Amino acid sequence: QLQLQESGPGLVKPSGTLSLTCSVSGGSVVSYKWWTWVRQSPAQGLEWIGEVYQTGSTIYHNSFKSRVAMSFDESNNSFSLELHSVTAADTAVYYCARHRGSNAFDLWGPGTAVIVSS
Amino acid sequence: QSVLTQPPSVSAAPGHSVTISCSGGTSDIGDNYVSWYQLLPGTAPKLLIYETSQRPSGVPDRFSASKSGTSATLHIAGLQTGDEADYFCGTWDSNVYAGRMFGGGTKLTVL
Repeated sequence: QLQLQESGPGLVKPSGTLSLTCSVSGGSVVSYKWWTWVRQSPAQGLEWIGEVYQTGSTIYHNSFKSRVAMSFDESNNSFSLELHSVTAADTAVYYCARHRGSNAFDLWGPGTAVIVSS
Repeated sequence: QSVLTQPPSVSAAPGHSVTISCSGGTSDIGDNYVSWYQLLPGTAPKLLIYETSQRPSGVPDRFSASKSGTSATLHIAGLQTGDEADYFCGTWDSNVYAGRMFGGGTKLTVL
């Protein structure tokens, strides 16, 4: 059964870079087309950050486009998120998910909390 | 980011029914499929509905959804205490490149 698990530092300093990895188990990351990052904060609710495609190409929400990068790592069966120049507003629970198509995300990781603070 | 409007909270007694609305516009809900998600504290979000009214395997038929114009609705029948959670709608804005979006979320309390 396919499972996703986010990992990365739980504390990032302001102006630093938030780096998270989503490990895929029970199946191959290349077997599915679209992989997504979403975050949840009390202030903003759920926010779609962007997606990385099986081909390695990416698509990002305009709100994050200038400071986000996503990539695909077939050798480690994972995909990753980098968010640069973070501020306290980036404090949130970050989820990785699979986009099944038709704008629906059918498999999610449990989420990882990231706090931006000095 | 949320341009889909949901009520902040709804409540109902066990065994009763509740509806959660999600209001948008002509280029998002009016033009695209809607999905619904259940977020229980400390657990992975769960897809309840895809393609506006379709249930994934394993989702009880107590959960149903529909869309009319620029609004979508999630209906939960036979409420159980385990249904107490946050519920989010999601769709895509056809007028925006990379326009996936979610509603602000609704907290369901089962009294």
